[in-house]
Amino acid sequence: EAGVAQSPRYKIIEKRQSVAFWCNPISGHATLYWYQQILGQGPKLLIQFQNNGVVDDSQLPKDRFSAERLKGVDSTLKIQPAKLEDSAVYLCASTLRLENNEQFFGPGTRLTVL
Amino acid sequence: GENVEQHPSTLSVQEGDSAVIKCTYSDSASNYFPWYKQELGKGPQLIIDIRSNVGEKKDQRIAVTLNKTAKHFSLHITETQPEDSAVYFCAASLSGSARQLTFGSGTQLTVLP
Repeated sequence: EAGVAQSPRYKIIEKRQSVAFWCNPISGHATLYWYQQILGQGPKLLIQFQNNGVVDDSQLPKDRFSAERLKGVDSTLKIQPAKLEDSAVYLCASTLRLENNEQFFGPGTRLTVL
Repeated sequence: GENVEQHPSTLSVQEGDSAVIKCTYSDSASNYFPWYKQELGKGPQLIIDIRSNVGEKKDQRIAVTLNKTAKHFSLHITETQPEDSAVYFCAASLSGSARQLTFGSGTQLTVLP
């Protein structure tokens, strides 16, 4: 079974530029999560999708972050414009159903904002 | 919201010794407590989990204990090996359909050969 795929693995941009990250969850997984992991900290949930609908985006900085999962499969997270404090690893995770506990994580995208 | 505190932030042990990592949570409604292992350059991977109706769970060299009254849970690794070196995260989840995880700040475990 293929795992959660993410791309790119690394991205370096200057502040005020925009960037997008892509995630393809495990086949058949209905629930998808985006996390932000700042160096030395645990992952922090940004947004949760169930199929193509948003379950919770209360911790997403909506003035600069946006995310979509249009067809209920892969998802894109965008930052526009980026700030220095956005430097982090962005992790995508998925579970089979909303009621499932085990989250499967992708390798993450490491973003550096200069 | 839920708050999870994790200690210690770093832990070094000799190969073959045991390692213990402790976490406390704030919301008594939390009922699911997973532990994740994160190796360098990789995403977290679930290694063991426990629900609030169980006090202890064991899987080979790894065990987790839960004290609901005190709102703390611990990860125990016995007979540590160099490949156990990684960052370990505890997490807690509220009951209900959302299953959102709140993570601790992580413990860097180093097993010295």
